[in-house]
Amino acid sequence: DSGVTQTPKHLITATGQRVTLRCSPRSGDLSVYWYQQSLDQGLQFLIQYYNGEERAKGNILERFSAQQFPDLHSELNLSSLELGDSALYFCASSGSTGTGNTIYFGEGSWLTVV
Amino acid sequence: GQQLNQSPQSMFIQEGEDVSMNCTSSSIFNTWLWYKQDPGEGPVLLIALYKAGELTSNGRLTAQFGITRKDSFLNISASIPSDVGIYFCAGQLWNAGNMLTFGGGTRLMVKP
Repeated sequence: DSGVTQTPKHLITATGQRVTLRCSPRSGDLSVYWYQQSLDQGLQFLIQYYNGEERAKGNILERFSAQQFPDLHSELNLSSLELGDSALYFCASSGSTGTGNTIYFGEGSWLTVV
Repeated sequence: GQQLNQSPQSMFIQEGEDVSMNCTSSSIFNTWLWYKQDPGEGPVLLIALYKAGELTSNGRLTAQFGITRKDSFLNISASIPSDVGIYFCAGQLWNAGNMLTFGGGTRLMVKP
């Protein structure tokens, strides 16, 4: 158990809909990262938050957004969903943006868009 | 962006054999990490490497951080059926928020 909790574990929704994925980082971790894993793209970095503020942005679509709340949990919002958005979405956390902090992953949220 | 080339893409070996996989990058990283992912699970950290040239072991696993900071390898000795899974290398840059760049993964299959 990595200590990173993600909900829901599985989600099936229709094209055009909007979903919210939730993440609770490990206790004390200030950084939260979101990754997308699809069969043809591997693990792709989406976005990072540190202590409530956006810190780094990767290959995140404009239809997607995220935020980190004062209690450090994070949400990834996916809107106007398309079939190609079907993937595993991972949240990960680490202690700080200091050097060499280990990143721990949650078990992921399976999103299927039909 | 940075690209990590991981090879081989897949391996099918006999139980008891040793396994070797590696990653190369077009640019340097501060940290190299190796993760294992089981089906339906998140990546689990196996080994983290922080210094160029560093050789680190974790049980039957051994990994090295290349001296150029652009490559790393992972060896698994005396493989067992529970080694089955996908192994990912990842590079980490400290001045980029510590985000990880992943290789494409090596799918390991072990025949009992």
